[in-house]
Amino acid sequence: SQKIEQNSEALNIQEGKTATLTCNYTNYSPAYLQWYRQDPGRGPVFLLLIRENEKEKRKERLKVTFDTTLKQSLFHITASQPADSATYLCALAPPNSGYALNFGKGTSLLVTP
Amino acid sequence: SQTIHQWPATLVQPVGSPLSLECTVEGTSNPNLYWYRQAAGRGLQLLFYSVGIGQISSEVPQNLSASRPQDRQFILSSKKLLLSDSGFYLCAWSPGGAGQPQHFGDGTRLSIL
Repeated sequence: SQKIEQNSEALNIQEGKTATLTCNYTNYSPAYLQWYRQDPGRGPVFLLLIRENEKEKRKERLKVTFDTTLKQSLFHITASQPADSATYLCALAPPNSGYALNFGKGTSLLVTP
Repeated sequence: SQTIHQWPATLVQPVGSPLSLECTVEGTSNPNLYWYRQAAGRGLQLLFYSVGIGQISSEVPQNLSASRPQDRQFILSSKKLLLSDSGFYLCAWSPGGAGQPQHFGDGTRLSIL
């Protein structure tokens, strides 16, 4: 069966450091992978999409890598700020569906001053 | 710009009662529409998605149903709620076509008593 695994333990880092979150998947052959941010009691907000032929993508302080051999994506936040504290979700399209997304359970990030 | 509206924000219903949650999108045409549920401590579970009026794909067998009576309106219904239907219900839209980012509403917190 398909699985999307993200670190279930919360990640606590100090302000200014780089946060690195991991997304591993099995039994997917994704053409793309997406990352979202979710704050408590709110809907997820789209951050970045990376395609299978892209090794890396950047947006301001965010960087995503995508290794289809390792079946892994890494999500980096550089110069982290307390406002970056949230849960971060990765998402993949299931086989035979280009429209739906399966989400991982997310990793909670806490950035302390 | 595009906006998505979901209501109500919170809802408390007795077991066995009916349900109707509504979602509307503004500022775009022919969007893909999605209903998700997020139970406490669990990931986002895709319930239904629609690529056009009257076209509904169900991902999880359950006592819920969805309808799309208009291009930008998506409704989640149940004839008889179960305790297990409690959760955070999220509506989302994406541009037509595969591999597009999804944009979420603010969700409905549903509690079944």
